[in-house]
Amino acid sequence: DSGVTQTPKHLITATGQRVTLRCSPRSGDLSVYWYQQSLDQGLQFLIQYYNGEERAKGNILERFSAQQFPDLHSELNLSSLELGDSALYFCASSVGGGLEGNQPQHFGDGTRLSIL
Amino acid sequence: AQKITQTQPGMFVQEKEAVTLDCTYDTSDQSYGLFWYKQPSSGEMIFLIYQGSYDEQNATEGRYSLNFQKARKSANLVISASQLGDSAMYFCAMRDYSGGGADGLTFGKGTHLIIQP
Repeated sequence: DSGVTQTPKHLITATGQRVTLRCSPRSGDLSVYWYQQSLDQGLQFLIQYYNGEERAKGNILERFSAQQFPDLHSELNLSSLELGDSALYFCASSVGGGLEGNQPQHFGDGTRLSIL
Repeated sequence: AQKITQTQPGMFVQEKEAVTLDCTYDTSDQSYGLFWYKQPSSGEMIFLIYQGSYDEQNATEGRYSLNFQKARKSANLVISASQLGDSAMYFCAMRDYSGGGADGLTFGKGTHLIIQP
């Protein structure tokens, strides 16, 4: 158990809809990262938040957005969903903001999103 | 841009044998970190081992060791005495710190390791 909690585990919805994925980081971790894993693109970094503020952006679509709340949990919002958005979405957390060298990112079990 | 290459899409290994999973990377930065993760069929991502670009010794964690050859830009994972439970996808990942480290990991495409009894 990594200590990172993601909900829901599975989500099935239709094209054009909007969904929210939730992540609770490990206790004490200030950074939250979101990743997308698909057969086509592999594992891709989407976005990072550190202590409530956006820290870095990766290959995140404009239809997607995220935020980190004062209690450090994070939500990833996906809107105007397309078939190609079907993927496994991971949240990861680490203690610092990335400047501390060897801190690994600990991953949650992921949310599997299926678009019908 | 960073790039991670894992040239072995799949590997079959006999139980109790040692396994080497290849990983080469490409970066122009001097300061970076290399990670290996395991993804079983159940889907979770499990952190295995880390190597920093300035670390003089190869990292070891139990049965896992990292064969780090900086000049060749390779960071191969070695699993000693393989077990059936080692069957999984293995991902090599990199993160650079030169720009402040505020970035996610760049992953390779992975190697599917199957341990045979």
